[in-house]
Amino acid sequence: EPEVTQTPSHQVTQMGQEVILRCVPISNHLYFYWYRQILGQKVEFLVSFYNNEISEKSEIFDDQFSVERPDGSNFTLKIRSTKLEDSAMYFCASSTNRFYNEQFFGPGTRLTVL
Amino acid sequence: GESVGLHLPTLSVQEGDNSIINCAYSNSASDYFIWYKQESGKGPQFIIDIRSNMDKRQGQRVTVLLNKTVKHLSLQIAATQPGDSAVYFCAENEGLGDSSYKLIFGSGTRLLVRP
Repeated sequence: EPEVTQTPSHQVTQMGQEVILRCVPISNHLYFYWYRQILGQKVEFLVSFYNNEISEKSEIFDDQFSVERPDGSNFTLKIRSTKLEDSAMYFCASSTNRFYNEQFFGPGTRLTVL
Repeated sequence: GESVGLHLPTLSVQEGDNSIINCAYSNSASDYFIWYKQESGKGPQFIIDIRSNMDKRQGQRVTVLLNKTVKHLSLQIAATQPGDSAVYFCAENEGLGDSSYKLIFGSGTRLLVRP
């Protein structure tokens, strides 16, 4: 069964450093998403991406964040200068279309900012 | 503002009993809802979805009920098994609306199944 994969599973970084979280969405999916989940809290939407551009983003997704699809398979989330409060689980998701459509989630990357 | 919330943070049930997990939503524009299951250390896993033109949908051992009048969603799990122990999230989406890209998640209910 096809699945979304994410690397690394755990990333530890120093405050102020840049991190890149990587995702490989399901191959025939066209819509890609990043969500985050601070420990013990709800899953929060960050950004959606379609046709090589951002479709929608939340207030959390400020100028420190960027997304990219550098090739035909990877989808990345970059945090330019990490802050302590960026520590969370980051989930990538993908779907075949936009409307009424299940989003498939990856296993997540745990980001720890020291 | 938009919000999706759950009435019970933890639900403990006996193995073999039925479980009911509830969710309230406040965005009247939402017309698509999904229940996700999240096991420890894993990403959310799709369980079942429902569109707002339906009030009930059944899957294997699971049923989702939607009451648009009171903006309430529930997940029923029949014959609960130890493998059902997890955190369950409801999520809403505007379907065809302007914010139809994103899912808005509730705060989650932990289901504990007693042997």
